[in-house]
Amino acid sequence: DTEVTQTPKHLVMGMTNKKSLKCEQHMGHRAMYWYKQKAKKPPELMFVYSYEKLSINESVPSRFSPECPNSSLLNLHLHALQPEDSALYLCASSPGTGSSYNSPLHFGNGTRLTVT
Amino acid sequence: DAKTTQPTSMDCAEGRAANLPCNHSTISGNEYVYWYRQIHSQGPQYIIHGLKNNETNEMASLIITEDRKSSTLILPHATLRDTAVYYCIVESGGSNYKLTFGKGTLLTVNP
Repeated sequence: DTEVTQTPKHLVMGMTNKKSLKCEQHMGHRAMYWYKQKAKKPPELMFVYSYEKLSINESVPSRFSPECPNSSLLNLHLHALQPEDSALYLCASSPGTGSSYNSPLHFGNGTRLTVT
Repeated sequence: DAKTTQPTSMDCAEGRAANLPCNHSTISGNEYVYWYRQIHSQGPQYIIHGLKNNETNEMASLIITEDRKSSTLILPHATLRDTAVYYCIVESGGSNYKLTFGKGTLLTVNP
């Protein structure tokens, strides 16, 4: 079990669908992250939120839209995805404050997304 | 460009120590060395991190050379459950703190 909960665990969607991935943590962390991981590849950073504000966008296509409604929740809204977007989407959090800037990231177990 | 270089794969016998090397010859003074691992079908799991000094916790030990250009992660008594991809990551802290994963080392612990 992890302290970062991601739902759903699996998602199959068509290219015209709109869906959302959800991530939740109750550790009081103020930084939250989305990573994408293709099969047999390392995770790749997509977005970072710090204190509920988007601080890093790694040039992700606009069909991926992140949202951080509060410090415990992180969403990733998906629209008009392509089959090559099929991957494991990982959420992570870290304290993100003061001297804890280098503190470890806590990862969820991801949502496995298949785009048909 | 990758900041770290790791072997693609390693094998270890169950019960023996696993020593995973990492080269980070371009590391700068404010950058930490982090180790994470990813067991199949799970999210990455933090193991240990350090700046200059050697570190030890309940999972592993981290040995950093004096010039900080390389490090070794040591799992003292490897078990089958330690089979995973191990990532060595070099990053600084700060307001844009993030982790950039390299290719990692697939450690296979054999019975």
